[in-house]
Amino acid sequence: NAGVTQTPKFRVLKTGQSMTLLCAQDMNHEYMYWYRQDPGMGLRLIHYSVGEGTTAKGEVPDGYNVSRLKKQNFLLGLESAAPSQTSVYFCASSRLTNEKLFFGSGTQLSVL
Amino acid sequence: AQSVTQLGSHVSVSEGALVLLRCNYSSSVPPYLFWYVQYPNQGLQLLLKYTSAATLVKGINGFEAEFKKSETSFHLTKPSAHMSDAAEYFCAVSPRSNSGYALNFGKGTSLLVTP
Repeated sequence: NAGVTQTPKFRVLKTGQSMTLLCAQDMNHEYMYWYRQDPGMGLRLIHYSVGEGTTAKGEVPDGYNVSRLKKQNFLLGLESAAPSQTSVYFCASSRLTNEKLFFGSGTQLSVL
Repeated sequence: AQSVTQLGSHVSVSEGALVLLRCNYSSSVPPYLFWYVQYPNQGLQLLLKYTSAATLVKGINGFEAEFKKSETSFHLTKPSAHMSDAAEYFCAVSPRSNSGYALNFGKGTSLLVTP
């Protein structure tokens, strides 16, 4: 059972480049989330989805876009990367909003 | 929005000593409360969750947490620390509502266990 899978695990971008992070879950969960983790800041919610075809903004959505075309996938896009977006990105999913979150292993992104 | 405050960004204990990680929440109505653990280079894993069934919640790996409404606290404890407990611990809060998402994490406490 794979759980939540994130790709890629590492990426280095130059300022202004674009990229997409892919999150896939095989647990048939309705809720999916993208967080970023920065030292001393904990986890901050970027965007989330409450079901296929839906997305909503979290705490720090600026500079990111998301799409949930299929229930099992949740994509996070950076249209024009900035050094401030250097971070570790985590995807998570859950059956309901108040239930256990299952996390992926993270994507380490550096923007130079 | 509901929030949690974790007191102490770093806590150091000796192997075999009591572990106490502090978390206070801000909410007028008792929320759902969680503790997650993150081992190096991994995602977060759920340690335990408070849902109001009992004020003392037992989790995995010998951890437990006590919900105290009068103190708006949900501190995490373990009677005897093990070297493998060294990790980052996050407290999180969610309101008693399914009307959208609102799980907020604290900034985390890094636990160091010394021999």
